[in-house]
Amino acid sequence: SSELTQDPAVSVALGQTVSITCQGESLRTFDASWYQQKPGQAPVLVRYGKNNRPSGIPDRFSGSSSGNTASLTITGAQAEDEADYYCNSRLRGGDPVVFGGGTKLTVL
Amino acid sequence: QVQLQESGPGLVRPSQTLSLTCAVSGDSVSAYGTAWNWIRQSPSRGLEWLGRTYYRSMWYNDYALSVKSRITISPDTSKNQFSLQLNSVTPEDTAVYYCARWNSGYDFDAFDVWGQGTMVTVSS
Repeated sequence: SSELTQDPAVSVALGQTVSITCQGESLRTFDASWYQQKPGQAPVLVRYGKNNRPSGIPDRFSGSSSGNTASLTITGAQAEDEADYYCNSRLRGGDPVVFGGGTKLTVL
Repeated sequence: QVQLQESGPGLVRPSQTLSLTCAVSGDSVSAYGTAWNWIRQSPSRGLEWLGRTYYRSMWYNDYALSVKSRITISPDTSKNQFSLQLNSVTPEDTAVYYCARWNSGYDFDAFDVWGQGTMVTVSS
């Protein structure tokens, strides 16, 4: 079982806003990073740090964190945002990094 | 532009050793602030971090507890690449294997570059 917990599936209507959450005790200490993965492709980093976005990632992707929960928010979801999303953080003790189980986002 | 490229056999027999190489271009495996990782993905296990190698005045390795007794990750600075060896494989090791760069800095701790992945099947 993962030390970061994500909802297995989330759906959103085209153009609406959706938040994908990630819970784990490590998030009280370390920032989450978020990855988008489309079928047959490698994961792509979409958010990292306090609230940073790699170049080339649309600004509709934002991040936040409170307590043991980190969130990735997509404001105005597009059809191309349909994908699996994974969170990741460092850990203190045990394995140095961990992934969440992933959330499958469906854009309706 | 940093690029990673995995290579190695797509089929490994049970009890044998899985060996993969990740060629790095656009960065150095010896660069401070980076770590070079192997991650695998299967439908049953999701994304699973396996281990990493990194240079901080000397070379260090960290391995996932789940595979620690069977894994070796080694850098090759002459070819700017790093490799994975996983011993005594079983069908449970069937997965897509990715190499990825972990970049660490001010407000930055993430896998920012990934290889395309290579499918490895363990079967007789």
